[in-house]
Amino acid sequence: EEQLVESGGGLVQPGRSVRLSCTASGFTFGEYAVSWFRQAPGKGLDWVAFIRSKAYGGTTEYAASVKGRFTISRDDPKSIAYLQMNSLTTEDTAVYYCSRIGGGGGYYYGEYYFDFWGQGTLVTVSS
Amino acid sequence: QSVLTQPPSTSGTPGQRVTISCSGSSSNIGSNYVSWYQHLPGTAPKLLIYRNNQRPSGVPDRFSGSKSGTPASLAISGLRSEDEADYYCGAWDDSLSGWVFGGGTKLTVL
Repeated sequence: EEQLVESGGGLVQPGRSVRLSCTASGFTFGEYAVSWFRQAPGKGLDWVAFIRSKAYGGTTEYAASVKGRFTISRDDPKSIAYLQMNSLTTEDTAVYYCSRIGGGGGYYYGEYYFDFWGQGTLVTVSS
Repeated sequence: QSVLTQPPSTSGTPGQRVTISCSGSSSNIGSNYVSWYQHLPGTAPKLLIYRNNQRPSGVPDRFSGSKSGTPASLAISGLRSEDEADYYCGAWDDSLSGWVFGGGTKLTVL
């Protein structure tokens, strides 16, 4: 059974950094693209970043709100995707979810969809 | 303000059929596939519909998706109490070079 488990969340001060992990099981992690999303308190879902599989170059894409501050990466032998979050602000307070990208996760973003998700990890940015 | 527009809420009684609309533009829904997600806050979101109208295995056929130009819609027939959740549409936006969601629709089963 496919499963994704996020970890690494917690309370962090503004301006500091945190790294989230997304540990996968039940499927061949290296064959899939992965995405991170977030949901701020009382708000809807927001996309954060993608990373393609190595077969498609492992390339990345970021939402404008996090570009230059967040970095998505992957460790296929460990079946883990990471989200390095730097220069955090209170606006980054949210539950962060990772998901697997279905449909091959190839070069055409318009075909993407997110077929399995984790339960999320809460990041609270506050002094 | 979300790029895709959904009604903030809708409701129905058990057994009824409800539809949730998702409006966008030529740069997102008009030129890319739409997918739909069911979400109870604090739990893992669940894929309901992908590529406009495809249902993943395990999703009941009570859920159906359609797209005609830029509006897309999700229909839920034979409404059940367990369908009470937030529903989100999403698509890639070519102009923004990013994935966009609707603001979500809270479904209440009366």
